[in-house]
Amino acid sequence: SQQGEEDPQALSIQEGENATMNCSYKTSINNLQWYRQNSGRGLVHLILIRSNEREKHSGRLRVTLDTSKKSSSLLITASRAADTASYFCATVPYGQNFVFGPGTRLSVLP
Amino acid sequence: NAGVTQTPKFQVLKTGQSMTLQCAQDMNHNSMYWYRQDPGMGLRLIYYSASEGTTDKGEVPNGYNVSRLNKREFSLRLESAAPSQTSVYFCASSEAWSGGDTEAFFGQGTRLTVV
Repeated sequence: SQQGEEDPQALSIQEGENATMNCSYKTSINNLQWYRQNSGRGLVHLILIRSNEREKHSGRLRVTLDTSKKSSSLLITASRAADTASYFCATVPYGQNFVFGPGTRLSVLP
Repeated sequence: NAGVTQTPKFQVLKTGQSMTLQCAQDMNHNSMYWYRQDPGMGLRLIYYSASEGTTDKGEVPNGYNVSRLNKREFSLRLESAAPSQTSVYFCASSEAWSGGDTEAFFGQGTRLTVV
């Protein structure tokens, strides 16, 4: 089964609203990463948070990590139509490589 | 700076045919990967090459073979294509296989249909 599981599977919001996606995982990790995939394209790295960090910001993105609950959230503030994409969390367990979840499909309606 | 380049972008095969998907990166990365992406399944690792000269099986290796031709190139071969191999295939690379803050860089994908 997947190491990381995103929730919800799909999310539809209006432009200007905030979008929150969650990721849960099962084993201890070195870091956790979020990627975006536009339709028909490859994944693009958004942000990385280390296991000893609790929160990280990058522009309109805010990522939190709770290692005690083995969960992370990605917040996109003031969303735009261009944010419409699928978002994946990737966990990096110690001594292992990227493990991707099934993704959250975000639709931002104008 | 092209990043990760995959060819072809689209391919239709008949059951039993063979083909090779090509991947090249120009970032001097040590590690390269092949994933397949199916609806609702996320990305599943087929094979990876932690460093030049090594290859290892991932989660779903059956029906595939790989070759790490040199540090830049990592190819995926389907010897006898089956309809179950209809998928979108992504090649990726990273500076290292594990440890540190390495991130993955992805190609644009190959959409493969086996009929």
